[in-house]
Amino acid sequence: DAGVTQSPTHLIKTRGQQVTLRCSPKSGHDTVSWYQQALGQGPQFIFQYYEEEERQRGNFPDRFSGHQFPNYSSELNVNALLLGDSALYLCASSGQGGQPQHFGDGTRLSIL
Amino acid sequence: AQSVTQLDSHVSVSEGTPVLLRCNYSSSYSPSLFWYVQHPNKGLQLLLKYTSAATLVKGINGFEAEFKKSETSFHLTKPSAHMSDAAEYFCVVSDAQGTYKYIFGTGTRLKVLA
Repeated sequence: DAGVTQSPTHLIKTRGQQVTLRCSPKSGHDTVSWYQQALGQGPQFIFQYYEEEERQRGNFPDRFSGHQFPNYSSELNVNALLLGDSALYLCASSGQGGQPQHFGDGTRLSIL
Repeated sequence: AQSVTQLDSHVSVSEGTPVLLRCNYSSSYSPSLFWYVQHPNKGLQLLLKYTSAATLVKGINGFEAEFKKSETSFHLTKPSAHMSDAAEYFCVVSDAQGTYKYIFGTGTRLKVLA
């Protein structure tokens, strides 16, 4: 049973570019959440998708957007990249009823 | 609003000695609380969860945590540290209404000395 898978594992971009990160949830899960983890910090909630809709959003600018597909997989898009967007981006999936979130290994994004 | 405070950014213990990682939480209602572990360059692995059942929660790899409402604490313990326990540990409170988004503490780095 595959867990949460994220791609790519590493990515290098320059300021002003756009990036798309991908996530496949654990089998049986229908909810996907995205978190940003800056170096030495705890993860910060970006947003959550359920039934292909953004259900809740954290304190992140509109440059951060997402999508959920009918098969529950998800994408995180970041436009107009800034140096401060360098971080580990974690995807987590869960089922309903407050089940614990399962995390992928993340995508390490570096902005030059 | 919910929040968590991890009281120690770094903890060092000798192999075979007890581990105590401290976490205090703030929540306006009965919270769901979790401990996750993160090894270098890896994602987060769930150690244990509290969801208003027994106040003493047993997790994987010999870890356990006790929910104390009067002290608003959820400290993580292990009787005997192993070298493989060296990692970053996060205390998490969940928004138990609606989306169940997670609010993380700043983490405690556990170092295990031989």
